[in-house]
Amino acid sequence: GQQVMQIPQYQHVQEGEDFTTYCNSSTTLSNIQWYKQRPGGHPVFLIQLVKSGEVKKQKRLTFQFGEAKKNSSLHITATQTTDVGTYFCAVTGFQKLVFGTGTRLLVSP
Amino acid sequence: DGGITQSPKYLFRKEGQNVTLSCEQNLNHDAMYWYRQDPGQGLRLIYYSQIVNDFQKGDIAEGYSVSREKKESFPLTVTSAQKNPTAFYLCASSGQGGGYGYTFGSGTRLTVV
Repeated sequence: GQQVMQIPQYQHVQEGEDFTTYCNSSTTLSNIQWYKQRPGGHPVFLIQLVKSGEVKKQKRLTFQFGEAKKNSSLHITATQTTDVGTYFCAVTGFQKLVFGTGTRLLVSP
Repeated sequence: DGGITQSPKYLFRKEGQNVTLSCEQNLNHDAMYWYRQDPGQGLRLIYYSQIVNDFQKGDIAEGYSVSREKKESFPLTVTSAQKNPTAFYLCASSGQGGGYGYTFGSGTRLTVV
């Protein structure tokens, strides 16, 4: 079945530093979604990317879909303590989403 | 407000017992899903349903059962055959057209005592 590798598993940054998580697939993806899960909470949908090379921004978050549609990244500029949580990518399998293993972000003030 | 309601928030199960987790949505979504999350892990799909009275097994369906008698409801039963049921269970739904992702409930934390 569809699988995605997400790296790193964990990252600890100082507030104000940048952060990037990567999602990689061995097969071409039709689209990719990103979710954020706060500690103790549930995943919340952030964005969907569909087009090759697509770049979307949400305030300090920048999402990118690779030209070959096999990888994607989420970049956070100048992290804040409110960015703490686990970030998941998810790809569409047959009638369902398959989630990556997630990147846990810890931000120290 | 539209959303997904999961209950209970916390559930304790004795060995050998079946328990049922509730999931109700008022988003008019056709598709509903159950995921399991273990500490520090990703989400693994248990069952999903694209339409009323129809559902399919996900990657880890053994020891679980579901029903979809109403569009709004997708309860999950954790049976005694599930040997390691302690986990965080998340219900989700999605509508037609995509682009809006899945909407998740707030989850049920199940512990075997």
